[in-house]
Amino acid sequence: GAVVSQHPSWVICKSGTSVKIECRSLDFQATTMFWYRQFPKQSLMLMATSNEGSKATYEQGVEKDKFLINHASLTLSTLTVTSAHPEDSSFYICSARPTGLGEQYFGPGTRLTVT
Amino acid sequence: EDKVVQSPLSLVVHEGDTVTLNCSYEVTNFRSLLWYKQEKKAPTFLFMLTSSGIEKKSGRLSSILDKKELFSILNITATQTGDSAVYLCAVLMDSSYKLIFGSGTRLLVRP
Repeated sequence: GAVVSQHPSWVICKSGTSVKIECRSLDFQATTMFWYRQFPKQSLMLMATSNEGSKATYEQGVEKDKFLINHASLTLSTLTVTSAHPEDSSFYICSARPTGLGEQYFGPGTRLTVT
Repeated sequence: EDKVVQSPLSLVVHEGDTVTLNCSYEVTNFRSLLWYKQEKKAPTFLFMLTSSGIEKKSGRLSSILDKKELFSILNITATQTGDSAVYLCAVLMDSSYKLIFGSGTRLLVRP
């Protein structure tokens, strides 16, 4: 149980284009999902909290117009990196918190490379 | 500022050794402390600790929380090469359910 999937697992895009990453909780409902990014040999940095049916809450320093988050259902959240630049290249990981519980379960991550 | 500090940053041991990983925290709204193991992809959940002094155990791994001294330890006994990974400690914030991660401890177990 408690499986979270992400799609795609890796993507290469050209500078200036937009990329959408999906995060799905497969066997549970998640009122809240979180988006993180991780640079090589560094820890996870929380980017935003995604709440079903309402606007995402972004952490300080994260541009909400660049990283668009949509949480349209209890099992799906999407992160769109708009007008991507090489410095956006990173490992993006989502997590989902089962409704009513505290722990988070992580997706397998999406490696984004912007050329 | 909320922070989670892990030590050591890296550790190299031989198979069969026992290791202790440390995690200390200073946060304003503590709910629980979680341990994760990260290999090449995303972190996998190990333990969630909410109460002080109660050891959680899973096979060769065990963990305990001290809410008075604000720290937790993760023990791995009889280490195996498959234990090589980055071990992440994170504090779950009350009400927001955000996770604040430490920098991780990189463990390498040599045959």
